[in-house]
Amino acid sequence: DAKTTQPNSMESNEEEPVHLPCNHSTISGTDYIHWYRQLPSQGPEYVIHGLTSNVNNRMASLAIAEDRKSSTLILHRATLRDAAVYYCILRGDAGGTSYGKLTFGQGTILTVHP
Amino acid sequence: NAGVTQTPKFQVLKTGQSMTLQCAQDMNHEYMSWYRQDPGMGLRLIHYSVGAGITDQGEVPNGYNVSRSTTEDFPLRLLSAAPSQTSVYFCASMLQPTSNQPQHFGDGTRLSIL
Repeated sequence: DAKTTQPNSMESNEEEPVHLPCNHSTISGTDYIHWYRQLPSQGPEYVIHGLTSNVNNRMASLAIAEDRKSSTLILHRATLRDAAVYYCILRGDAGGTSYGKLTFGQGTILTVHP
Repeated sequence: NAGVTQTPKFQVLKTGQSMTLQCAQDMNHEYMSWYRQDPGMGLRLIHYSVGAGITDQGEVPNGYNVSRSTTEDFPLRLLSAAPSQTSVYFCASMLQPTSNQPQHFGDGTRLSIL
């Protein structure tokens, strides 16, 4: 699986935008970029995913670099409930037995200050 | 819509005891999987299933058995619990095991083996 690199931690103030970066320089052409988050004492929660174009949904926006070697998860107005560990994960149709697996790295711990 | 439901939420076992962690989803998803999460580590895949009657091993399958007799249910069995199996267990499902599908996680079962 292609590797992703994220900062260990980031901080934000409530109601300010948050930009969470992810580097994935070895991404293949068919890898989708997925973001999940895990709130304290809960299971991971799907946030957003994309392939080449920027994506928006009710939770966040995903900005993907033109060369696809990096991406940024954007929370437009952080709330205290957004404090979580955010994981950037690449998923490709590698076939065989690995295509359903999510490989979680260490993620970015987001702290939101009131 | 309940999503992915895991029971029990907490369990304490003695070494050598057996138990079954239950997982059910009501979204008619083909793919289901089990992960474990240990302190300071990412989630690791234990077993997965691509449909009723089909299961396969993930990266850490030793000590665990699974079966998939229905689309909805994917129980995880510990035949002889060991302290090394103390962990938080998450069940996940997705519609199809393709790279552009999001996974939905349960809230986890926190298991302690004494």
